[in-house]
Amino acid sequence: SQQGEEDPQALSIQEGENATMNCSYKTSINNLQWYRQNSGRGLVHLILIRSNEREKHSGRLRVTLDTSKKSSSLLITASRAADTASYFCATVFEMDSSYKLIFGSGTRLLVRP
Amino acid sequence: GAVVSQHPSRVICKSGTSVKIECRSLDFQATTMFWYRQFPKQSLMLMATSNEGSKATYEQGVEKDKFLINHASLTLSTLTVTSAHPEDSSFYICSAQTVGAVLNQPQHFGDGTRLSIL
Repeated sequence: SQQGEEDPQALSIQEGENATMNCSYKTSINNLQWYRQNSGRGLVHLILIRSNEREKHSGRLRVTLDTSKKSSSLLITASRAADTASYFCATVFEMDSSYKLIFGSGTRLLVRP
Repeated sequence: GAVVSQHPSRVICKSGTSVKIECRSLDFQATTMFWYRQFPKQSLMLMATSNEGSKATYEQGVEKDKFLINHASLTLSTLTVTSAHPEDSSFYICSAQTVGAVLNQPQHFGDGTRLSIL
C-alpha cells in the first residue's frame, strides 16, 4: 500500500497543551501536505511543505520534514477545544503524468476544555 | 476562494437504488476532480480521478460499472453509485484542483456525502 502511517492514532490533551502528530511515508516526495477534517466534514488544507524545506510555520502550526527518515510532524501549540478534529498528512504520488494525493492513516485529536 | 460544493450532504435510500452525487467548483475551473471514500475512523481512499472531457481513471479494486463518473464541464463532476447495496454505505468526498495546477498546490475538498443504504 502506498498509504503512509500516522501516530498516534488518537491523542487527547488538555486545552493549552501542545499536540504533536507524526507521519511516515514510503516513497520519495515532491511535497507533503497536512489537512484537517472536522467530524463528518470535508478536508481543509493546513500547510504544504516542499521536499527541500525542513520546517514551516503557519500561526500556531509548525510542520517539520525529514526526507532522510521519510517522516514529518505537525505541532499545534497552545491547543484550543476548537482544534478537536482528525489530522491527515498526504503525499503526492505521480504516475503517467498524473498526480494524486495519498493520505496517511490520520490522527484523531481531542482537546479537552 | 477555491470553494467546492458537494451535494447532497446526506442520502438514505433502499438497496438497489442508484444515487448521484455532484461535485461543483464554485469559483474556479477544475480540469481534475478526485473522488474518495472514507469509512468511519479511517483515512480517505482514492477511488478515481475525474478528468474533464475524458474518461475517469479508477484505482485498483474500484468497479467502473458500479461507480460511474462523469466530468462534463470544468466545474462539475458527478459520481453515480449504481444499484447501491448496504456495503456501499460510506462517506464519499470529492476534491478539485484548479486549471493548470501542478503538484505543489493543495486540493480543495467538498463537505462530503454520507450515503446510507438500507
